[in-house]
Amino acid sequence: DQQVKQNSPSLSVQEGRISILNCDYTNSMFDYFLWYKKYPAEGPTFLISISSIKDKNEDGRFTVFLNKSAKHLSLHIVPSQPGDSAVYFCAASGDYNNDMRFGAGTRLTVKP
Amino acid sequence: EAGVAQSPRYKIIEKRQSVAFWCNPISGHATLYWYQQILGQGPKLLIQFQNNGVVDDSQLPKDRFSAERLKGVDSTLKIQPAKLEDSAVYLCASSPGLAGGRSGELFFGEGSRLTVL
Repeated sequence: DQQVKQNSPSLSVQEGRISILNCDYTNSMFDYFLWYKKYPAEGPTFLISISSIKDKNEDGRFTVFLNKSAKHLSLHIVPSQPGDSAVYFCAASGDYNNDMRFGAGTRLTVKP
Repeated sequence: EAGVAQSPRYKIIEKRQSVAFWCNPISGHATLYWYQQILGQGPKLLIQFQNNGVVDDSQLPKDRFSAERLKGVDSTLKIQPAKLEDSAVYLCASSPGLAGGRSGELFFGEGSRLTVL
């Protein structure tokens, strides 16, 4: 059961432009939403998160937006840099970090 | 602070053979997770430990997979006998626990890549 979906397997943007990665979920019981970044041959690393009581969280170049009514969240990276090229996973959890569900990932390529 | 350690990094076995993966979480982290990531998919939770007790193993194929976390620190994940569809990266993660940590963040190891021929 795919409770967290990332429908775009890949995204390519030019350096300096905005990258927008999207994620949809089906379980209204999710309380926390997270984005992880993964480089080849490494484990995923935490990037940014948002609680269901908020609709926006910003950390430097990274902003996550949550639309609960649409069960949709997005990650904005501005400006995009070549070092941002990686696979980004959206994840959701219903109880702090219990049974965290992941999307299939979106491969972001930032071209110089 | 040392990260989550996993070994081996790579393993190639024939189907029906057995394999074991080891994980050492970040010191002091009470919760340990094993995830399976098949190529092109997101990580899927296999089992979650809180200290040395199992919190969730509902997605663990118990006829062939087993895991233990002795003394609430290191953990091993075993597959016996392996099938072709078990080819995946096995990720171990840890977190401070339900009462700590930041926004539910998990700390992942580099993973153990299994190829079953």
